[in-house]
Amino acid sequence: GQQVMQIPQYQHVQEGEDFTTYCNSSTTLSNIQWYKQRPGGHPVFLIQLVKSGEVKKQKRLTFQFGEAKKNSSLHITATQTTDVGTYFCAGSNDYKLSFGAGTTVTVRA
Amino acid sequence: SAVISQKPSRDICQRGTSLTIQCQVDSQVTMMFWYRQQPGQSLTLIATANQGSEATYESGFVIDKFPISRPNLTFSTLTVSNMSPEDSSIYLCSVDFYQGYTDTQYFGPGTRLTVL
Repeated sequence: GQQVMQIPQYQHVQEGEDFTTYCNSSTTLSNIQWYKQRPGGHPVFLIQLVKSGEVKKQKRLTFQFGEAKKNSSLHITATQTTDVGTYFCAGSNDYKLSFGAGTTVTVRA
Repeated sequence: SAVISQKPSRDICQRGTSLTIQCQVDSQVTMMFWYRQQPGQSLTLIATANQGSEATYESGFVIDKFPISRPNLTFSTLTVSNMSPEDSSIYLCSVDFYQGYTDTQYFGPGTRLTVL
């Protein structure tokens, strides 16, 4: 079945620095979605990428979908303490989502 | 998007008992999903629940252990049967919304289950 790999598992960031989390699928995806889960919370939808090579921005967050629609990345600039949480990518084929393992982000003030 | 609620929000149960988790959506949706998230882990899809048909279970999950009901387009239940400590997890329902030209899932707040 479809597998989605996500790295790194943990990201310790100094406040103000940038970081990137990467997602790779074993199969071509129809779309990829990104979610953020705060400690003790539930996954909250951030964005969906559908088109090959698509790039979307949300303030300090930049999301990319690879040309082959098998990989994606989330880049956060000028990290803030509000960015703490676990970021999941989820690959979609048909209607089902396969979640990556998540990148848990901690921020040093 | 939609407002999704789950009951109970958390429970502590004894081994061998069963717990039914409810998921309520404030609008009609075709597809609802049940996930399990074990401590510190990612989300694993248990089953897809469509109104008017039997739930479709993922590999490793069976109806006898996780019976699901979907009586209408705004409600679903998941029962965790004959519980063991290994069933301690967060159970989340989600709904599928068609936005623009593709589907997006939105999650309920989850039910945190501890089995002693």
